[in-house]
Amino acid sequence: EPEVTQTPSHQVTQMGQEVILRCVPISNHLYFYWYRQILGQKVEFLVSFYNNEISEKSEIFDDQFSVERPDGSNFTLKIRSTKLEDSAMYFCASVGTGRTGELFFGEGSRLTVL
Amino acid sequence: GNSVTQMEGPVTLSEEAFLTINCTYTATGYPSLFWYVQYPGEGLQLLLKATKADDKGSNKGFEATYRKETTSFHLEKGSVQVSDSAVYFCALSGEGGELIFGTGTRLQVFP
Repeated sequence: EPEVTQTPSHQVTQMGQEVILRCVPISNHLYFYWYRQILGQKVEFLVSFYNNEISEKSEIFDDQFSVERPDGSNFTLKIRSTKLEDSAMYFCASVGTGRTGELFFGEGSRLTVL
Repeated sequence: GNSVTQMEGPVTLSEEAFLTINCTYTATGYPSLFWYVQYPGEGLQLLLKATKADDKGSNKGFEATYRKETTSFHLEKGSVQVSDSAVYFCALSGEGGELIFGTGTRLQVFP
């Protein structure tokens, strides 16, 4: 069964460092999402991406975040200068049959900022 | 704005017990409603969904009915198993197609 894959599964970084989280969505999907889950809290929407541009973003997704689909298969989330409060599980998701279809989630990338 | 409220966990049950996890929502318009499950060490998986009022979503013995009059989408299962131990998230579809999640409810089932 096709699946969304994410790397790394866990990254530890120092505050102020740049981090790139990678996702490979399901190959024929068109809409891509990043969510995050701070430990013990709810899963929060960060950004959606369609046709090589951001279609929606939340207030969490400020200037230190960016997304890119550099090569037609990968979908990346970059955090330019990490803060302690960026420590969370980051989930990538994709959907193929329009925005109201089922979202398929990856297993998540755990980011720990020290 | 749109939001989802779930009962706090953990919910601790013995095998074969009846399960209810409450979920209520606030939304403009008529969103689709979802239950996602997160097993230990895994990502979020869609468990069931309902796209309009009075629809019942069901999967793996779990059910939830979209109740517009009470703005609820409670998850139920008649007889839980140890393998159902997981975190369950209620969610609704936002205007931009994104999902808005509740805080999640951890279910622990003991033999």
